[in-house]
Amino acid sequence: DIVMTQSPLSLPVTPGEPASISCRSSQSLLHSNGYYYLDWYLQKPGQSPQALIYMASNRASGVPDRFSASGSGTDFTLKINRVEAEDVGVYYCMQTLQGRTFGQGTKVEIK
Amino acid sequence: QVQLQESGPGLVTPSETLSLTCTVSGDSISGYHWSWVRRPPGKGLEWIGYIHYSGNTRYSPSLQSRLTMSVDMANNRYSLRLSSVTAADTAVYYCARLLHNPIPGQYYNYHYMDVWGKGTTVTVSS
Repeated sequence: DIVMTQSPLSLPVTPGEPASISCRSSQSLLHSNGYYYLDWYLQKPGQSPQALIYMASNRASGVPDRFSASGSGTDFTLKINRVEAEDVGVYYCMQTLQGRTFGQGTKVEIK
Repeated sequence: QVQLQESGPGLVTPSETLSLTCTVSGDSISGYHWSWVRRPPGKGLEWIGYIHYSGNTRYSPSLQSRLTMSVDMANNRYSLRLSSVTAADTAVYYCARLLHNPIPGQYYNYHYMDVWGKGTTVTVSS
């Protein structure tokens, strides 16, 4: 099984400042087609999860462009260009190469 | 606009079978994969599995021996059955659609969960 490890697990942020979350997989998420099989999701307080990023770096429909993601091999990063108050919640990475596995989640809250 | 609604008993007795249904409105269940995810209290998200409208399934290895998913095309819904439940199966259960996205140069698609239900709370307790 592929294990996903996120850091940090808690991230206090200041509105208007950038923020970054790291996600590491126990094995490479590179598919034979040359693409990385990793998604990012956000679960805001009291809401269902929502998709942010798919295939490591592609923004899902309707996601603001202040969200970006990158990575390769086993190391991936989600970045928020300028955090807004509505961005609070728990962020999850999820590998999709072998079934699906979520990371533990990173709780983002306003300082 | 596609909407998903989970339904099922909120309380299940230990060792019994948990049964949930996800009803899809606003689009046909045909042509997509459909998934289940849960969030135990105080913990993170856990992927349960998914089913294609044709009936093909893929389950989490940790739940596979207890899990069955099915599709009801006539009623545009799909279901989950988890047997021999314990307190560890207490969670909010979400259903979600897997949207297919073309992969450049490939004949197959990439899928991610684009539409989610609001979730239903299931407690396993006697």
